[in-house]
Amino acid sequence: RKEVEQDPGPFNVPEGATVAFNCTYSNSASQSFFWYRQDCRKEPKLLMSVYSSGNEDGRFTAQLNRASQYISLLIRDSKLSDSATYLCVVNLGGGYNKLIFGAGTRLAVHP
Amino acid sequence: DAGVTQSPTHLIKTRGQHVTLRCSPISGHKSVSWYQQVLGQGPQFIFQYYEKEERGRGNFPDRFSARQFPNYSSELNVNALLLGDSALYLCASSPRQGDTGELFFGEGSRLTVL
Repeated sequence: RKEVEQDPGPFNVPEGATVAFNCTYSNSASQSFFWYRQDCRKEPKLLMSVYSSGNEDGRFTAQLNRASQYISLLIRDSKLSDSATYLCVVNLGGGYNKLIFGAGTRLAVHP
Repeated sequence: DAGVTQSPTHLIKTRGQHVTLRCSPISGHKSVSWYQQVLGQGPQFIFQYYEKEERGRGNFPDRFSARQFPNYSSELNVNALLLGDSALYLCASSPRQGDTGELFFGEGSRLTVL
């Protein structure tokens, strides 16, 4: 079983749509959680951290359910510029930055 | 300020050869990590260095090695290249040793092994 599993893509949605990505992780000792965004043939960049209380950044909302070991990302009012691969990321902690990345979910927003 | 810089950006090697990839972190960042990203997959952790010492190692063979220099730049070395080593090698820096998810990635070195 992969340590971080994500919805298979691609998701093809029209502009203005709401889209949700899901992710599960296998290690219950995981300490912190994130969503990264990666544009085609570019480097990953941090989109947002994910907290148990849920957090929102503009059109983006992230949720964490530690009991179910489940992470989600909701994008509202999709823009063409949201087209990218979204990577679910877990940090096992332990004093160093070993980030475990999911394989990513590709989003394509069309006019 | 400059971001994380990596060199070379692209390179082609043949099986059995050796490669050295270089990385300069963001000024003031003391931690450098290396990740391998195979096409269609997420990045996979190879090493982390902090203050010139190895702080973490992923599940990679001993053909992979790295080091960090006094100016916090880093090198990743891969010996006896295999076809399966073809990937994008990403370097990431952060200001602290650990327990943070915000890594700043360079654009990567794309290695093709023929």
